[in-house]
Amino acid sequence: AQKITQTQPGMFVQEKEAVTLDCTYDTSDPSYGLFWYKQPSSGEMIFLIYQGSYDQQNATEGRYSLNFQKARKSANLVISASQLGDSAMYFCAMREGSSSNYQLIWGAGTKLIIKP
Amino acid sequence: DGGITQSPKYLFRKEGQNVTLSCEQNLNHDAMYWYRQDPGQGLRLIYYSQIVNDFQKGDIAEGYSVSREKKESFPLTVTSAQKNPTAFYLCASSAGQGPDTQYFGPGTRLTVL
Repeated sequence: AQKITQTQPGMFVQEKEAVTLDCTYDTSDPSYGLFWYKQPSSGEMIFLIYQGSYDQQNATEGRYSLNFQKARKSANLVISASQLGDSAMYFCAMREGSSSNYQLIWGAGTKLIIKP
Repeated sequence: DGGITQSPKYLFRKEGQNVTLSCEQNLNHDAMYWYRQDPGQGLRLIYYSQIVNDFQKGDIAEGYSVSREKKESFPLTVTSAQKNPTAFYLCASSAGQGPDTQYFGPGTRLTVL
């Protein structure tokens, strides 16, 4: 079974609109961390935001926020006021706390295109 | 400036040749990782190292080898045994504690001719 699922292969969004990228996860470990990364066409993976399973509040970093719904096992990335430079691939990843090797489990990604 | 460097950015090799991809970090991170990415796909872990002189296989280690003689360096060798080596290779490092966020280098695009 997929541990990280990103159901949107691609999205088109009008510039300045908010966008939500979906991520659902599957784990029985009570301790885990969720990460979002951005990969522009240049290829480099850029860390955006992190949410720990025990964090009481949703994580925020500038225009990025993470809509963490623990009971639904979802960790959607919200980008407010989208910009042309937000066009990129976006990956959701999880690390399970019981993992002794700090491996990340990656989703397949969502390609986001911002239209002017 | 702290960060991760990978060289070269583009690499071409003939079939049957081994090639080594460089990865260096000056973040003082304990852990380092190598990933492979094929077009339109997510990342797959090749090897990782949590400490100097120690490393473990990831999900797709066959045809690859690594070394970790220094904390700062984690070179990846793509051997002739790797059946389909053309791909984008990403190196990452992390502190090895806390959230343990992985930070990535710019990547090396390997093409086998």
